Amino acid sequence: QVTLRESGPALVNPIQTLTLSCTFSGFSLNTPGMCVSWIRQPPGKALEWLALIDWDDSKYYSTSLKARLAISKDASKNQVVLTMTIMEPVDAGTYYCARTRYYGSGHGSTYFDFWGQGTLVAVSS
Amino acid sequence: DIQMTQSPSSLSASVGDRVTITCRASQRISVNLNWFQQKPGKAPKVLIYAASNLESGVPSRFSGSGSGTHFILTISSLQPEDFAIYYCQQSHSIPLTFGGGTKVEIK
Repeated sequence: QVTLRESGPALVNPIQTLTLSCTFSGFSLNTPGMCVSWIRQPPGKALEWLALIDWDDSKYYSTSLKARLAISKDASKNQVVLTMTIMEPVDAGTYYCARTRYYGSGHGSTYFDFWGQGTLVAVSS
Repeated sequence: DIQMTQSPSSLSASVGDRVTITCRASQRISVNLNWFQQKPGKAPKVLIYAASNLESGVPSRFSGSGSGTHFILTISSLQPEDFAIYYCQQSHSIPLTFGGGTKVEIK
């Protein structure tokens, strides 16, 4: 059974760094074809992909947020960590981690098949 | 970045109606297109991957079609539990991008 759970602060101050953890079970990030992504959703707005890390530790980022993001993994602990620097009020919302897996051999053949419940982050002083 | 545009942004429909939602990509993405359903306060759930493949456990009233830049999600007979927001997402290239969502409401 695949599960993912996000954890982190519910409130951060502006210009602080946000650190979120995704702890998962039911799969291994050492397995070829397995990845984990972070996706966020401001209140009442659409989903926005942030970052992805795959089984061989390749990392990919949102174009607009690349300078502020860092994703890392500890496969032995079944954990993926996302940091986002210089938090602003517009960064408030629900942050999800999701298993991302390849269904084919092509680079574009991925989808988010399991999601965590999300963690709500507010940005305010 | 590839832009994904969904239409309509919202629709009202009755139980039993056939519903179609369109998603257009700003450049060709082959069949690298996924569809998600999101209910209030819940994480999204995948319905369709690779444009037309039904995810395991998803009812057969959901179907997807299209390739290149034009994609369609069809619900053949809308059920009460289908009232939700639907998102398309391209996996063709990084950065991965989502459409703006289509809210399906009760008429």
